[in-house]
Amino acid sequence: DTEVTQTPKHLVMGMTNKKSLKCEQHMGHRAMYWYKQKAKKPPELMFVYSYEKLSINESVPSRFSPECPNSSLLNLHLHALQPEDSALYLCASSQVIRSPGGYGYTFGSGTRLTVV
Amino acid sequence: AQKVTQAQTEISVVEKEDVTLDCVYETRDTTYYLFWYKQPPSGELVFLIRRNSFDEQNEISGRYSWNFQKSTSSFNFTITASQVVDSAVYFCALSGGGNRDDKIIFGKGTRLHILP
Repeated sequence: DTEVTQTPKHLVMGMTNKKSLKCEQHMGHRAMYWYKQKAKKPPELMFVYSYEKLSINESVPSRFSPECPNSSLLNLHLHALQPEDSALYLCASSQVIRSPGGYGYTFGSGTRLTVV
Repeated sequence: AQKVTQAQTEISVVEKEDVTLDCVYETRDTTYYLFWYKQPPSGELVFLIRRNSFDEQNEISGRYSWNFQKSTSSFNFTITASQVVDSAVYFCALSGGGNRDDKIIFGKGTRLHILP
């Protein structure tokens, strides 16, 4: 299994809703990432989890709350979002221990979020 | 600091022409990884190639080829005999090496239009 699976693929939510994005991998990767991609822009890092602990938070507003319940799962909890938060949210995973011949950095297909 | 520059914002070529997408990177790491990703209109990031800093061999995969030159910090991507299905945004990206989780730094992307 060499995939990162993200659900749902599409999500429309109101500004008062609470929703969650889910990301799952079974490659044994111990680093997992959330990226946000606005239209016509490159992906931008939001959070990094390493061995299920949050290691990087790129100054993301608190209305985005990540959670890593185990080594295979990564969630992104959304609450009181704004229309400008509409974007493609990408999950990725990678090996923490690297070798020149092996680097399993894999992206999921993303969740396209629309905040209305 | 790490940086990836894709100077070409948008390129249009007629089908069957060859096209080269430029990528210049900056890093202080001695071990690092370079990537190219394709993002078609459907939105997912499609992995094309990974190259580590110790391997300067050029690579060819079908109509795709990559030219990695450490002396000029460049990792250019050439599509030979382009096809309409090659139309997409292409991102060059960079990540550090070593035993740590690492974010991927993306260039701004080059939007490629292949005209029939």
